[in-house]
Amino acid sequence: GDSVTQMEGPVTLSEEAFLTINCTYTATGYPSLFWYVQYPGEGLQLLLKATKADDKGSNKGFEATYRKETTSFHLEKGSVQVSDSAVYFCALQVQGAQKLVFGQGTRLTINP
Amino acid sequence: EAGVVQSPRYKIIEKKQPVAFWCNPISGHNTLYWYLQNLGQGPELLIRYENEEAVDDSQLPKDRFSAERLKGVDSTLKIQPAELGDSAVYLCASSPGQGLETQYFGPGTRLLVL
Repeated sequence: GDSVTQMEGPVTLSEEAFLTINCTYTATGYPSLFWYVQYPGEGLQLLLKATKADDKGSNKGFEATYRKETTSFHLEKGSVQVSDSAVYFCALQVQGAQKLVFGQGTRLTINP
Repeated sequence: EAGVVQSPRYKIIEKKQPVAFWCNPISGHNTLYWYLQNLGQGPELLIRYENEEAVDDSQLPKDRFSAERLKGVDSTLKIQPAELGDSAVYLCASSPGQGLETQYFGPGTRLLVL
């Protein structure tokens, strides 16, 4: 079945450090890929998405590239801020199924 | 534009009691989802509605869970009777219509069953 595997957390970094959160997927169809973020006490928010191979999604300084050959969608940011502390979820959506399949989430803490 | 609204935000009940969660999707969104998020896990779909029709309820434990979306707008998810293992966050999401569209999530209802 369809599944998403994320880098295990928690991840703790200092402000202005480089961030990578790994995400790989298994899908029977040709999925769209997403990163959602959940700030403390808030609901899930879409951070970025990519709908086809080699597409790059970007938002708020975060980027992720849809790599079909490695079935990956790693999240990166060049310089993190304290306000980026949250839980990050990688997810896929396969045409026809519509439901989002999520990874287990990665908790990120940024220290000043 | 108002986002997805859920209530209550928090609920504490004793086991074997019933509980209900309410969701109001973004105006004009035809598709509504209920997800279950266990502690430390990603959300998992319970049920999806297209207007008032439940088109995917394969993951809904029908012995104790039920849901409705009578007029194709608001939705209610019910558990009767609740069990200790039902303690989790229940998320509602909506999207404009059919197809691969962005889903917008509400803040969730955190349920604790004692």
